[in-house]
Amino acid sequence: GNSVTQMEGPVTLSEEAFLTINCTYTATGYPSLFWYVQYPGEGLQLLLKATKADDKGSNKGFEATYRKETTSFHLEKGSVQVSDSAVYFCALTARESARQLTFGSGTQLTVLP
Amino acid sequence: DSGVTQTPKHLITATGQRVTLRCSPRSGDLSVYWYQQSLDQGLQFLIHYYNGEERAKGNILERFSAQQFPDLHSELNLSSLELGDSALYFCASSVAEGPGNIQYFGAGTRLSVL
Repeated sequence: GNSVTQMEGPVTLSEEAFLTINCTYTATGYPSLFWYVQYPGEGLQLLLKATKADDKGSNKGFEATYRKETTSFHLEKGSVQVSDSAVYFCALTARESARQLTFGSGTQLTVLP
Repeated sequence: DSGVTQTPKHLITATGQRVTLRCSPRSGDLSVYWYQQSLDQGLQFLIHYYNGEERAKGNILERFSAQQFPDLHSELNLSSLELGDSALYFCASSVAEGPGNIQYFGAGTRLSVL
């Protein structure tokens, strides 16, 4: 079946540090890939997405590139801020079951001033 | 604000009881999805409706059921509640149901079964 494996957390960084959260997936065909973010007490918000190989999704300084050869979709940001503290979820929708999101376990990020 | 409204925000009930969670999708969205978020299971897909029809089922227990009404709002019914049903329940909506479709999430209903 489809699955998403995310880097275990929690991750603690200082402000302006570089962020990488690893995400790899298993899916048949060519899934669409997403990063969602959950701030404390809130629902999930879409951060970025990519729908085909070599696509780069980007938003608010975050980037992720769809790598088919390594089945990965790692999230990066060059300089994190305290306001980026949240839980980040990697997810996919697979072509043959294109309805639901399959999520990774989430990575808690804390950014210290 | 995602435009997806879930009520109530919090629900506290006892084992064996039945509750109903309500979701109003974004204006114009035909698809509604339900997810359960718990510490041990993470985020799990429960069920998907499109324009009133059930389209996909995930790890939804037989004690749980859902429906989508003609005005497109949806309800998730949980019965014979057990302690393990305590979780955050999210509703999401999207315009359609194809691959790459963006799902917009509500703030969730936190269910506590005592």
